[in-house]
Amino acid sequence: DTAVSQTPKYLVTQMGNDKSIKCEQNLGHDTMYWYKQDSKKFLKIMFSYNNKELIINETVPNRFSPKSPDKAHLNLHINSLELGDSAVYFCASSQDQGKWNTIYFGEGSWLTVV
Amino acid sequence: GQQVMQIPQYQHVQEGEDFTTYCNSSTTLSNIQWYKQRPGGHPVFLIQLVKSGEVKKQKRLTFQFGEAKKNSSLHITATQTTDVGTYFCAGSSNSGYALNFGKGTSLLVTP
Repeated sequence: DTAVSQTPKYLVTQMGNDKSIKCEQNLGHDTMYWYKQDSKKFLKIMFSYNNKELIINETVPNRFSPKSPDKAHLNLHINSLELGDSAVYFCASSQDQGKWNTIYFGEGSWLTVV
Repeated sequence: GQQVMQIPQYQHVQEGEDFTTYCNSSTTLSNIQWYKQRPGGHPVFLIQLVKSGEVKKQKRLTFQFGEAKKNSSLHITATQTTDVGTYFCAGSSNSGYALNFGKGTSLLVTP
């Protein structure tokens, strides 16, 4: 069973559209994350939730809105997509927000905005 | 905020050669983790270092944490094509609670 699963894996959409990426973890972890990885492989944290509460909100356009209906799910909604949003988006989870915890990544969602 | 710098950004070696990637921080780190991402894949945890001067080995991989806990390295002996991928370090300062990822070192191994 996949520990952190996210859908869709691939997404091609036009500028201006709104899209969502869903994420679920079955590890029983309290903390979940969204990371963005650009074409240069830079891995940047976007958001972090602990038990459904937002704890990290990096400098991200407010077109990006995370939602955590429960601690096993963290979805990412993006409004008015722009070309620069093209990237791989990784959902991840860890036991809790402690910095010694291993981060488990999902397989990624490859977003292409045309 | 605290940043973790990683060099080199890219490394191309012949199979059988050794490889090292370095991770440096301007502030003292409480811990450092290393991840590997295969092409087209996702980052996977390799190891965590916590103690000053700590050295850990995983088969051909040797991980070190500096005495001052401001730098770390990953050394691969006799690379194989299966070592291809991007290696990330991720560290956290004593006062911080989140891990900061370096920009990664992409390793290409040609047979």
